[in-house]
Amino acid sequence: EPEVTQTPSHQVTQMGQEVILRCVPISNHLYFYWYRQILGQKVEFLVSFYNNEISEKSEIFDDQFSVERPDGSNFTLKIRSTKLEDSAMYFCASRRQPGELFFGEGSRLTVL
Amino acid sequence: QQQVKQSPQSLIVQKGGISIINCAYENTAFDYFPWYQQFPGKGPALLIAIRPDVSEKKEGRFTISFNKSAKQFSLHIMDSQPGDSATYFCAVSGGYNKLIFGAGTRLAVHP
Repeated sequence: EPEVTQTPSHQVTQMGQEVILRCVPISNHLYFYWYRQILGQKVEFLVSFYNNEISEKSEIFDDQFSVERPDGSNFTLKIRSTKLEDSAMYFCASRRQPGELFFGEGSRLTVL
Repeated sequence: QQQVKQSPQSLIVQKGGISIINCAYENTAFDYFPWYQQFPGKGPALLIAIRPDVSEKKEGRFTISFNKSAKQFSLHIMDSQPGDSATYFCAVSGGYNKLIFGAGTRLAVHP
């Protein structure tokens, strides 16, 4: 069964460092998303991406964040200068059509 | 602005009992109402979903009840099992727009 894969599963970084989280969406999907979940809290929308551009972003997705689809398979989330409050699980998700959103297993980011 | 309100925050059920989790939404433009199940350290996984043209959908022990006029939907887990212990999130969406999640319900099923 096709799945969304994310790397790394866990990254520890120092405050102020840049982090890139990588995702390989399901191959025939067209809509891509990043969500964030702070430990024990709700799953929060960050950004959606379609046709090689951002279609929507939340207020969390400030200038420190960027997304890119550098080739036909990868979808990345970059945090330019990490802050302590960026510590969370980051989930990539994809869908082909309206309806089910498929989530990856997540990347745990710990900012020290 | 909370677009979807989920309750209860936590729920303890005995094995074999019925677990009921509720969600209420505000925007009538939403047309897709899924429930996701999340185990610790894992991503959310779709459990069951409903569209507003039906009032109920059942898949095995899981049932969604949908009340369009009240803008509410609920998840019922029949014959709850310890393996159902997880966090459950309702969500809402319209078209290709993002999923908006509820705050989650932590379910514990005791043997």
